[in-house]
This record gives sequence, C-alpha cells and structure tokens, in this order.
Amino acid sequence: DTGVSQNPRHKITKRGQNVTFRCDPISEHNRLYWYRQTLGQGPEFLTYFQNEAQLEKSRLLSDRFSAERPKGSFSTLEIQRTEQGDSAMYLCASSSGLAWIDEQFFGPGTRLTVL
Amino acid sequence: DAKTTQPTSMDCAEGRAANLPCNHSTISGNEYVYWYRQIHSQGPQYIIHGLKNNETNEMASLIITEDRKSSTLILPHATLRDTAVYYCIVRVDGAGNNRKLIWGLGTSLGVNP
Repeated sequence: DTGVSQNPRHKITKRGQNVTFRCDPISEHNRLYWYRQTLGQGPEFLTYFQNEAQLEKSRLLSDRFSAERPKGSFSTLEIQRTEQGDSAMYLCASSSGLAWIDEQFFGPGTRLTVL
Repeated sequence: DAKTTQPTSMDCAEGRAANLPCNHSTISGNEYVYWYRQIHSQGPQYIIHGLKNNETNEMASLIITEDRKSSTLILPHATLRDTAVYYCIVRVDGAGNNRKLIWGLGTSLGVNP
C-alpha cells in the first residue's frame, strides 16, 4: 500500500503522560500536514512542513506540542503532559505541491484518548 | 474560523442525484473551493475543487455561482457507498506556500436504498 500511514491507530494514555505519533507520507510528496479532529467537527490545521522545514504552525499548537520531520520523509507529533482536552483524532496528510489540484492525501488517523 | 456553512444533514435515495449546497460568502478572489468526504473512521478523501468555473470529474460535479458566494456538489447517481460526511472547504494560501484547508462542520449525507 503506497498511501499515507499513521501509527499507532489508537492510543490511550493517562493525563500528564507524553505521547508520540508517527506519520509516513506518500514517498514522493514533499509537503506534510497535521490536523486535529474532535467529535462532530471538521479537521483543524495544526502544522505544515515542506521537506524538513516546518513553515507554519497554528495557534492551536501550544508549547506542549512539537512536530518534526527530520529528513523530509516521515514526521512525528509529540504531545507532552497530555490533558483530557487533547483527546481527538490526529490526522496526517501529504501532497506533492504539483499540479493545480495539489490534493492532500490523508492517513487513517491516530485516535488519542486521555484518561 | 470556518469560512463555509453547510446543512447539518441530508438524505438521498439510491440511484438519484445528491445535491449538497455550501455557502462561502466571505471567500476572497484567489481562494479555491474544495470538497472532501469522510467515511466513518477513515481519513478524508478528495472529491473535487474549483475557483470560478464549474468542474466535473469521475466522482462529481461542482457548480459555483457567478458571485462565488455559494456552490453545490452534485453526486449524479448516489450509491450506498456514498454515505459519508461531506466537507466544503476554502483553501487559503499561508506561509511557505502552505495551501491550508479551512474546514467547516460538513454535511452528513445518508443514502437510502
């Protein structure tokens, strides 16, 4: 399967713990996005990478959140000192930046539950 | 903040056309309208997008009003597999060529046999 993959698919943690999610984009895509989606809402933009450079961060991304894309391939999203309000689906998407469509291809998401 | 408003839910009979409306009255001249759908427990899937002209692909048609303040997504022959939440989205160009998608709340489409 050459689509976007995310791991783990589900994560249950206790409040105050740190969690890390991984996203593997489509191999030739240089753009990578993280979104957060809570129940009944549309996805909300968190951050954007072009290759290894993090070029935009949403104000939703508090200082407890950090994202990296060290070699311009896979990306990680870490949440430190998790809070119950962090419970959500975390979606990763990638795109090539080419052609006028510039379709973002989404992974299946990581569902985080903070107890 | 969302730039689009959509009905919360709609129903459609299988085999009939599904017409999903969207209002985006504050859209700027260079901002695109995108449609994605999300089937339960899956990541969103691209359907179609447009700027000013009507567009058609193998999945759907997009009709954009001349003033660009609203649009309609048309699924010409809805099937049970089209049951999903449909999002009307405005694409805003952000920092570093970030083609940022601003999502609304979506329309939950139910296709009935």
